[in-house]
Amino acid sequence: RKEVEQDPGPFNVPEGATVAFNCTYSNSASQSFFWYRQDCRKEPKLLMSVYSSGNEDGRFTAQLNRASQYISLLIRDSKLSDSATYLCVVNRFLWYNNNDMRFGAGTRLTVKP
Amino acid sequence: DGGITQSPKYLFRKEGQNVTLSCEQNLNHDAMYWYRQDPGQGLRLIYYSQIVNDFQKGDIAEGYSVSREKKESFPLTVTSAQKNPTAFYLCASTTGGGTEAFFGQGTRLTVV
Repeated sequence: RKEVEQDPGPFNVPEGATVAFNCTYSNSASQSFFWYRQDCRKEPKLLMSVYSSGNEDGRFTAQLNRASQYISLLIRDSKLSDSATYLCVVNRFLWYNNNDMRFGAGTRLTVKP
Repeated sequence: DGGITQSPKYLFRKEGQNVTLSCEQNLNHDAMYWYRQDPGQGLRLIYYSQIVNDFQKGDIAEGYSVSREKKESFPLTVTSAQKNPTAFYLCASTTGGGTEAFFGQGTRLTVV
């Protein structure tokens, strides 16, 4: 079983739709969680961190459920510019400066007019 | 501006040839990572280094080698032992404590 698993996608949605991505992780010692966005042939860039209390940034909402080892990302009112691959990242802090950072395979989103 | 720089952006390798990908950061980050990404796939960890003069194998280290002689630099050598090296290679760095990762712009390696 992979350490971080995401919905395989692809997701094809019309503009204005709400779309949700899910991610599960296997290591219960994981401590920090992130969603990254990757455009085609580019490097991943941080979209948002994910906190236990949940957090929102404009149209984007991230949730973390530690008991179920589950992370989600909700995008409301999708825009054409949201088309990208979304990567779930789980980080386990081992000791001073020693991080074990694991990426999901990514979920591709295409928003259509 | 602080950042992480990879070079070259595109690299072509002949069969049986070793090539070295450069990764430099001026963010004063201790931890650096190399990932490989194949078309339509996620990132797979090749090697990582948490401190100068120390590095660890990731999930797919075979056919690759690294060095960490300076905090700022973490070059990756793709050796002739790597049978399928064509891929997009990404270098990343982080501070300690589980913070976000910063990525270079990537190197696209093609075997010709």
